[in-house]
Amino acid sequence: DAGVTQSPTHLIKTRGQQVTLRCSPKSGHDTVSWYQQALGQGPQFIFQYYEEEERQRGNFPDRFSGHQFPNYSSELNVNALLLGDSALYLCASSLIDRTYEQYFGPGTRLTVT
Amino acid sequence: GQSLEQPSEVTAVEGAIVQINCTYQTSGFYGLSWYQQHDGGAPTFLSYNALDGLEETGRFSSFLSRSDSYGYLLLQELQMKDSASYFCAVSMDSSYKLIFGSGTRLLVRP
Repeated sequence: DAGVTQSPTHLIKTRGQQVTLRCSPKSGHDTVSWYQQALGQGPQFIFQYYEEEERQRGNFPDRFSGHQFPNYSSELNVNALLLGDSALYLCASSLIDRTYEQYFGPGTRLTVT
Repeated sequence: GQSLEQPSEVTAVEGAIVQINCTYQTSGFYGLSWYQQHDGGAPTFLSYNALDGLEETGRFSSFLSRSDSYGYLLLQELQMKDSASYFCAVSMDSSYKLIFGSGTRLLVRP
């Protein structure tokens, strides 16, 4: 049973560029959440998708957007990259009625130069 | 707003017991989860408390007091592999998001 997968593993972008990160949830899960984790900090909630709709959003600007596909996979898009967007981006999947129990992917390390 | 407080670092000896505390201030609290994250790894779910009391899962136990807005994670028979960061996370009522604390780095010494 495959767990949560994310691609790419690492990414280097230039300030002002756009980036798309991808996530496939654990088999059987219907909900995908995205988090940003800075070094030495806890994951910060970006948003959550269920039934192809954004259900909840954290305190992130509109430059951060996402999508969920019919097969439950998801994308995170970040426009107009800033240096401060450099972080580990984690995708987590769960069941909608058990969102306290999230299964995390290995993350995408984004570096903005 | 919401806030969670955890000690930044805890050190303990192999075989000992350690308790990691978490206090929270949130509106619409629903439950408290605990996650473990090794350096370079992804967070992994450990436990969840929605009701007051102690939940035991092997060497790990988690406690919640809703009236005190307080919980803790108890690790028994510490092993070197338990060296990791531990995060408490709050589930919000009528919401689906998890709010994570800043984490406690546990170092287990031989």
